Order: sequence, then structure tokens, then C-alpha cells
Amino acid sequence: DVKVTQSSRYLVKRTGEKVFLECVQDMDHENMFWYRQDPGLGLRLIYFSYDVKMKEKGDIPEGYSVSREKKERFSLILESASTNQTSMYLCASSYPTHAPQATQYFGPGTRLTVL
Amino acid sequence: AQTVTQSQPEMSVQEAETVTLSCTYDTSENNYYLFWYKQPPSRQMILVIRQEAYKQQNATENRFSVNFQKAAKSFSLKISDSQLGDTAMYFCAFMKQEAGTASKLTFGTGTRLQVTL
Repeated sequence: DVKVTQSSRYLVKRTGEKVFLECVQDMDHENMFWYRQDPGLGLRLIYFSYDVKMKEKGDIPEGYSVSREKKERFSLILESASTNQTSMYLCASSYPTHAPQATQYFGPGTRLTVL
Repeated sequence: AQTVTQSQPEMSVQEAETVTLSCTYDTSENNYYLFWYKQPPSRQMILVIRQEAYKQQNATENRFSVNFQKAAKSFSLKISDSQLGDTAMYFCAFMKQEAGTASKLTFGTGTRLQVTL
């Protein structure tokens, strides 16, 4: 079974702090994704990566950056956390685009609260 | 850009009954995938069922089946013999295949399903 893990289930940070959210997958997936989930808005894509050191902006990248130094690990960085970044953050991974069925597999999520 | 609409924010069904969750989408693509994901309370999001747009046959997975109407751009999920463990948020999602980059999911806003005794 695919396993996607995230470093924390719950996190509380203060406004202005630098925040790192870590995601690790064990299936040698090329693609990795970061979403935020808010009530009534569904999941929105922040950033994604299709290979080591390769990254692209999603729909809502403002205020975030990412790092992918190793294939299995994808980090989401909040350079200066703000209260409007309080949310549930979900990581996902998938096989390459050319795979016949590029299903995404999700981690358990990190509920971040910024005070 | 693709959009996915789930018009039912909340639904309720009694145990052992059948319930249908609706999803519509908008796209100009001809080849794409559609998904239903389930997120139980405080638990991980998991794939329920997947449909390839080029397949006319509706996908089924045990008690879960879809009604895929490509011309109408509709993709509803039917849950038969509902169980308490089906209580969850259900998300409909769309994916088009991309070249040279990752294929991305576009999600609907979700339907919260409560299964009652």
C-alpha cells in the first residue's frame, strides 16, 4: 500500500514565524502536491512538484514556497505565517503523468493554527 | 479552466438505504479522469472510485457505483446498502492528462454525508 506521511497532525504557530510542513511518501512517486482544505472551499492546490528540484505554482501559491531535495520528501514553507493561513494542509503523491491511472494518494493532513 | 460543482453541501441517509451524491463539471477536454474521494471524520482522504472519460461503462467498486454522463458532464456517486462507516465528506474531482508536468486534480467543495440508524 502507498504510504504518505506528514510530520505533524496539529501545529500551533505565532504570526510571523517561519513554518515547515514535511511530507514523505514511500512509493517512489514522481509527483507530489500540497493542498489546503477550508470549509466550503474544498481542496485548493498550493504547489506541486513533478521531479526532484522541479516545482510549479498551483492555484494559491501566495505566501508559500516549497522544497524538494529528495524524491520522497516534499516540504511546504510558510515564510512568515499569517492568521489567514490557519487551515488544514494535505499532501499527496502520484505516479508520473504518463501512467495510465495517475491517482493521487493523500497524507493524514496537518491542522495548522496561526495565532 | 475546469470547474467541479457539488450542489449538495450535506446529505443524510438511513443505514441500509441507497443515496446518490451529485457532481457536475465543466471542461473542453475530451480525455480526462473523474474521481470520488472519501474523507472520514479526522481520518485520511481515500480514493473511492475512478472513471476514465473514454470508457462508456460506469465504474463500480462493491457498494459504490457511478453514473457517468459525458455529454451532460455529470458524474454522480451511488452508495448502496449504506453503512455507518460511510459517514464522511465526499469530494468529486477532475483530472486532465498533462504533458511534461504533473496531472492536477480540481476538486468540488464536498458533500458531507451522515449515515443514521
